[in-house]
Amino acid sequence: EDKVVQSPLSLVVHEGDTVTLNCSYEVTNFRSLLWYKQEKKAPTFLFMLTSSGIEKKSGRLSSILDKKELFSILNITATQTGDSAVYLCAVPNSGGSNYKLTFGKGTLLTVNP
Amino acid sequence: DAGVTQSPTHLIKTRGQQVTLRCSPKSGHDTVSWYQQALGQGPQFIFQYYEEEERQRGNFPDRFSGHQFPNYSSELNVNALLLGDSALYLCASSLLGQNEKLFFGSGTQLSVL
Repeated sequence: EDKVVQSPLSLVVHEGDTVTLNCSYEVTNFRSLLWYKQEKKAPTFLFMLTSSGIEKKSGRLSSILDKKELFSILNITATQTGDSAVYLCAVPNSGGSNYKLTFGKGTLLTVNP
Repeated sequence: DAGVTQSPTHLIKTRGQQVTLRCSPKSGHDTVSWYQQALGQGPQFIFQYYEEEERQRGNFPDRFSGHQFPNYSSELNVNALLLGDSALYLCASSLLGQNEKLFFGSGTQLSVL
């Protein structure tokens, strides 16, 4: 069964700090790894990673995948209070055209002013 | 362009009752998936619907059932509610073959007393 473990489970920082969120995974046939941001209720898509070592960037957020060591990190630089959210990591099921995501428990990030 | 909409937003039921949750996918999407998110946990896959058929199912009992209509909207039904069914129920839509980027609704918060 596919497995995703995120750490830390929660994190409190001050505005302007840089944070690194971790995600390790076990999956039979790797397809991709996805990061979502969940504010209030609806998770919103951040990144999809398929290849090792290629950094994805979107403004102050960036993410990288290590397929050899089976983990990914999500970096947020110069954090703002609006970055406060739960960050979820997920992997899709191993095969077929159907699509099920296995999520980690998430990291609750709180950014204080 | 309307995103994924879910109704109701909140629901309170008692043990043993039955509940129906509704989801309208993002315009142009044909595939609907349902997830259950308990407090402090990541979303867990319940099932996926495409062409009005259940295509894939997670580890949930038969008390959980669903339906997809010709307009691609979907319902999730839960019978004989248990206290442990209290959770946020998320609907996600996508296009079959482009499933990597799921669009989530804001969920229905179900409380079972």
